[in-house]
Amino acid sequence: QKEVEQNSGPLSVPEGAIASLNCTYSDRVSQSFFWYRQYSGKSPELIMSIYSNGDKEDGRFTAQLNKASQYVSLLIRDSQPSDSATYLCAVKGSFQKLVFGTGTRLLVSP
Amino acid sequence: EAGVAQSPRYKIIEKRQSVAFWCNPISGHATLYWYQQILGQGPKLLIQFQNNGVVDDSQLPKDRFSAERLKGVDSTLKIQPAKLEDSAVYLCASSPFMESTEAFFGQGTRLTVV
Repeated sequence: QKEVEQNSGPLSVPEGAIASLNCTYSDRVSQSFFWYRQYSGKSPELIMSIYSNGDKEDGRFTAQLNKASQYVSLLIRDSQPSDSATYLCAVKGSFQKLVFGTGTRLLVSP
Repeated sequence: EAGVAQSPRYKIIEKRQSVAFWCNPISGHATLYWYQQILGQGPKLLIQFQNNGVVDDSQLPKDRFSAERLKGVDSTLKIQPAKLEDSAVYLCASSPFMESTEAFFGQGTRLTVV
């Protein structure tokens, strides 16, 4: 079982729609969860972090965490073509090891 | 605040040659990570340092890869000898302390082994 699992996509949504990205993790003691965005040929950049169960909103982005289900998600409202990128889920588990999923490629069409 | 610095940006070598990558983390950041990202995949953690001590190197191919972080600041990752499958982007990241929030990434070094 992979430590952090994501659907590789691509996830295609029209401009203005809501994009929903999902992630599951295996280490039950994980405490910190992150969503990074990575444009082609660039390094990952942080867009959201979440540490407790529930929702966290920042502009068009909402992160959701359910520790009982070991599930993290990212919602992007009013998706824009500039949101087209790979979204990486990252989890800090035992010994603060920071592990990434394989990423979900998002394509937003005009 | 200066970001994570990496060099070189690009490197092309022949298989069986050796190569080294350098990383200078953000000033004051105690935790330093090296990741390998193969095209189309997520970053794979190779080694994690806390100051100059190794926290995790479980996925570092120790027969050919080595890393050090002298004085708890700069770090060097070396591959000797390189194989074709080592072609990837090598990303360095740092964070202020282990229980901190996000890791900040450098621009990466793109290695091509021919």
